[in-house]
Amino acid sequence: GQNIDQPTEMTATEGAIVQINCTYQTSGFNGLFWYQQHAGEAPTFLSYNVLDGLEEKGRFSSFLSRSKGYSYLLLKELQMKDSASYLCAVRFYSGNTPLVFGKGTRLSVIA
Amino acid sequence: DTGVSQNPRHKITKRGQNVTFRCDPISEHNRLYWYRQTLGQGPEFLTYFQNEAQLEKSRLLSDRFSAERPKGSFSTLEIQRTEQGDSAMYLCASSRVQAASEKLFFGSGTQLSVL
Repeated sequence: GQNIDQPTEMTATEGAIVQINCTYQTSGFNGLFWYQQHAGEAPTFLSYNVLDGLEEKGRFSSFLSRSKGYSYLLLKELQMKDSASYLCAVRFYSGNTPLVFGKGTRLSVIA
Repeated sequence: DTGVSQNPRHKITKRGQNVTFRCDPISEHNRLYWYRQTLGQGPEFLTYFQNEAQLEKSRLLSDRFSAERPKGSFSTLEIQRTEQGDSAMYLCASSRVQAASEKLFFGSGTQLSVL
């Protein structure tokens, strides 16, 4: 199958750093996306990785290791508004295939 | 760019009734996707269109589900003889091109409750 695994829930303190991991099958891998989804709202795009390494975008960074089938999303200087679900999604094979989403990680930021 | 628009936002129906949802994608986007999401789960792919052509349907998609995109612009998703298991958020997303790197833009979804 095309299992994408993420932790179900995480809790972190305001101002801290949190790392959300995602693992996926490596066969046919062709890009990985991270989305943020607040309760009752649409998922919004955060980052895209297709090559190994770290992509930094403000307080958010995303890392990819293609050989290990592993990615993480790093959130720095956490704010209360970062409380949301974080979805890892993978494109397999070509641009003609739909994104496959993990179940999402629900992050709670506490004071 | 007004974003992806979905109507209605909420739909409550009785088991056995038919329902239809509408999605208006971002105007220059030629790809349109339907996903379904239940509480605590990620979006699950249902079907997608390139312009007016329906290119792929999930094997999980029951025959009671049908989608159209008649003029390559807006799309409708119809569910016939609804069942309680159809209760979910139905998300529409669009993208401009078919590159693997192309990100999806999602609408706010239609929340369906089947009583």
